[in-house]
Amino acid sequence: RKEVEQDPGPFNVPEGATVAFNCTYSNSASQSFFWYRQDCRKEPKLLMSVYSSGNEDGRFTAQLNRASQYISLLIRDSKLSDSATYLCVVTRGGNSGGYQKVTFGTGTKLQVIP
Amino acid sequence: DTAVSQTPKYLVTQMGNDKSIKCEQNLGHDTMYWYKQDSKKFLKIMFSYNNKELIINETVPNRFSPKSPDKAHLNLHINSLELGDSAVYFCASSQEPRRFPLYEQYFGPGTRLTVT
Repeated sequence: RKEVEQDPGPFNVPEGATVAFNCTYSNSASQSFFWYRQDCRKEPKLLMSVYSSGNEDGRFTAQLNRASQYISLLIRDSKLSDSATYLCVVTRGGNSGGYQKVTFGTGTKLQVIP
Repeated sequence: DTAVSQTPKYLVTQMGNDKSIKCEQNLGHDTMYWYKQDSKKFLKIMFSYNNKELIINETVPNRFSPKSPDKAHLNLHINSLELGDSAVYFCASSQEPRRFPLYEQYFGPGTRLTVT
């Protein structure tokens, strides 16, 4: 089983729709969680960190469910400019001087259609 | 004022050659990373350095050797290039993860390597 799994999509949604992505992780020792966005032929950029209590940034809401080991990203009122690949990132370790492990999901492609 | 820069942006070379990719960050970060993104768009970490010390070393062929002359630079040298090395290589930097767990990684624009 992969350490971090995402549905690759593509998710094709009309402008104004609400869309949600999930990301599951296999290691219960995972500590920090993020959503990154990657546009075609560009570098990934941080969209938002995911806090234990969930967090919202404008039209974007991130949730963490430690019991079921998944994180989610909800996008409301989709815009054409939201079209991109959304990458889930999970980190663990690094405490007590040990190596830290950073794992990216394979990404979920979103296409917002006019 | 590019935060994380990489050179070259494109690199086309033949099998068996040795090549280097350079990365520099001007954000004052302590930690730098190298990632490989293959044709299926899977982004996989290769190495991470913190203050010139290796802190992540995933299973990559020993033909790949990172070098960090100072904490603002992390170069990647690849010996005896193979067809399967063709990919986009991203450099990134962040604050030190052990002190700032919810750190943001800033990525460079990527180096598109094609091995023929």
